[in-house]
Amino acid sequence: GAGVSQSPSNKVTEKGKDVELRCDPISGHTALYWYRQSLGQGLEFLIYFQGNSAPDKSGLPSDRFSAERTGGSVSTLTIQRTQQEDSAVYLCASSQSPGLASTDTQYFGPGTRLTVL
Amino acid sequence: SQKIEQNSEALNIQEGKTATLTCNYTNYSPAYLQWYRQDPGRGPVFLLLIRENEKEKRKERLKVTFDTTLKQSLFHITASQPADSATYLCALSTSGTYKYIFGTGTRLKVLA
Repeated sequence: GAGVSQSPSNKVTEKGKDVELRCDPISGHTALYWYRQSLGQGLEFLIYFQGNSAPDKSGLPSDRFSAERTGGSVSTLTIQRTQQEDSAVYLCASSQSPGLASTDTQYFGPGTRLTVL
Repeated sequence: SQKIEQNSEALNIQEGKTATLTCNYTNYSPAYLQWYRQDPGRGPVFLLLIRENEKEKRKERLKVTFDTTLKQSLFHITASQPADSATYLCALSTSGTYKYIFGTGTRLKVLA
């Protein structure tokens, strides 16, 4: 089947606007991650969803960031009142993880490149 | 604070040679270490996982070592090819957690 897909692939927005980034995980994968990758930086963990459990939001950098996952499948990352420092590539990954399993492979989408002018 | 270091400078090697990439970490006791490959404009792709009680793991032309005393992992690509040119990321995790901490990656260029 298809891999993880993300949309849009590129998003240019003006400072202060809200943006929504979408992630379609691999069918049947219960775990979903959002990361941010800035130039010259490692992947920064943002949020983790596992089945119907409460998400781990500990990586969200500010309350302008939020995410939801509907029906245990598609996820949307929303950034309100965007700032220039939000410019980065936002990556989504999914895995079959049944729980706390560090050995599970994460399958990444191609990312959304966000540019805030 | 916890820190993962990968050589930020690009590594250029000649085709056919063995490429060796380094991942060092401090203030961290990982139980698992993964290596990923990332091509420009794409998400990372999983390559290998090694556990803390494993010294070495191999997959085709790839070999990973994990030295918890030195706090270091080495990633080797033997008989390198231009198609191996990419950025390689290491990621660490402790036991019983789903969170991985990623390094910044090392860009490898294999010259024909």
